[in-house]
Amino acid sequence: EVQLVESGGGLVQPGGSLRVSCAASGFTFSSYAVTWVRQAPGKGLEWVSAISGSGDSTYYADSVKGRFTISRDNSKNTLYLQMNSLRVEDTAVYYCAKWQGKSWFDAFDTWGQGTMVTVSS
Amino acid sequence: EIVLTQSPGTLSLSPGERATLSCRASQTVSTSYLAWYQQKPGQAPRLLIYGASSRATGIPDRFSGSGSGTDFTLTISRLEPEDFAVYYCQQYAASPRTFGQGTKVEIK
Repeated sequence: EVQLVESGGGLVQPGGSLRVSCAASGFTFSSYAVTWVRQAPGKGLEWVSAISGSGDSTYYADSVKGRFTISRDNSKNTLYLQMNSLRVEDTAVYYCAKWQGKSWFDAFDTWGQGTMVTVSS
Repeated sequence: EIVLTQSPGTLSLSPGERATLSCRASQTVSTSYLAWYQQKPGQAPRLLIYGASSRATGIPDRFSGSGSGTDFTLTISRLEPEDFAVYYCQQYAASPRTFGQGTKVEIK
């Protein structure tokens, strides 16, 4: 069964840092691009960042560029999102998701259950 | 950035009725790289439709997608109780990937 499981969320003060992780199983992790999508409480979905299967290419939303870093360890089948200089507006459930196919132009077919990140003093 | 605008914001219907959801893009979505997702409270989104009209694995045929260019539609032919949820469209033709703001389908 294809599965993604996020972890590492929690409460952090504004200006602080946090790293969330996403453990993948049931598929050849290194063959697929993966992504982070977030959802603020009561709001819609916002794409945050993506990384190619090899990890060579990374992409960021303007709202997080320069503050967040996406990475992956294909030997551990794990995706990471390092979040620095956190702001109150970064408060959200963070979902990881995988590309449906191996083309860069594809939808996200599998999602994790999400991990909550709360930025508050 | 491609902005997606969904309408209506809320759709109030009864089980068995037909639901028609709209997604309009601010510029042409090339090769119909448009997807639809369903999200229920407390759950992750689920892929329903990709390529504007192809159903994802395991999605019932009461869900159908259509459209091209800048105008796309998700149709649920006969609403089942489990279909009451929020639906998002998403374009994956360009970066950044963008989502619409969502349409809530609620029980009338």
